[in-house]
Amino acid sequence: DAGVIQSPRHEVTEMGQEVTLRCKPISGHDYLFWYRQTMMRGLELLIYFNNNVPIDDSGMPEDRFSAKMPNASFSTLKIQPSEPRDSAVYFCASSSGLFEQYFGPGTRLTVT
Amino acid sequence: TQLLEQSPQFLSIQEGENLTVYCNSSSVFSSLQWYRQEPGEGPVLLVTVVTGGEVKKLKRLTFQFGDARKDSSLHITAAQPGDTGLYLCAGPSSSNTGKLIFGQGTTLQVKP
Repeated sequence: DAGVIQSPRHEVTEMGQEVTLRCKPISGHDYLFWYRQTMMRGLELLIYFNNNVPIDDSGMPEDRFSAKMPNASFSTLKIQPSEPRDSAVYFCASSSGLFEQYFGPGTRLTVT
Repeated sequence: TQLLEQSPQFLSIQEGENLTVYCNSSSVFSSLQWYRQEPGEGPVLLVTVVTGGEVKKLKRLTFQFGDARKDSSLHITAAQPGDTGLYLCAGPSSSNTGKLIFGQGTTLQVKP
């Protein structure tokens, strides 16, 4: 299996621009998670899906963040408008419901 | 609220030394996982411990789950530069199916 695939690996954008991060989970996994990692706050869960349905979005910082999972093999995390404080590494992870999560390589986002 | 506290936060040692990283909570967890994250990559699952008192070995790494299932430790024997990375413990949320609670991590640097 190719593992969890994320794109892009690096994104540099200007404040106010829309940013879309993409994730392809491992085939057969029914849970998908979006995390954000910073030095100050560590690894934070933003939102997760089960069978394409959002279960818990309490970690989404504010309305500028949105996530979708239109099918079992694709999810997006969108930030609109982006701000410098959104700069972080964003990880997507998937699991088969056994709590053992498999992470993608991450997207390093820099907002200037 | 379930919390996992890791100690130490940072550890810098010489190649060949032994070390132990701790993961503690006041809450009982049904299982605990350990992940290792190398620079520029996502966390990778190392092991899952399920039974209180369980000990698992992965080459030079020994993982132990506390008898009361509130704590875990990771011991590395004869550390090597390849062991350098961020070590994260994680456990399933008791209130939210599929969600993992992560510790803040221990950054390990092994100098040659």
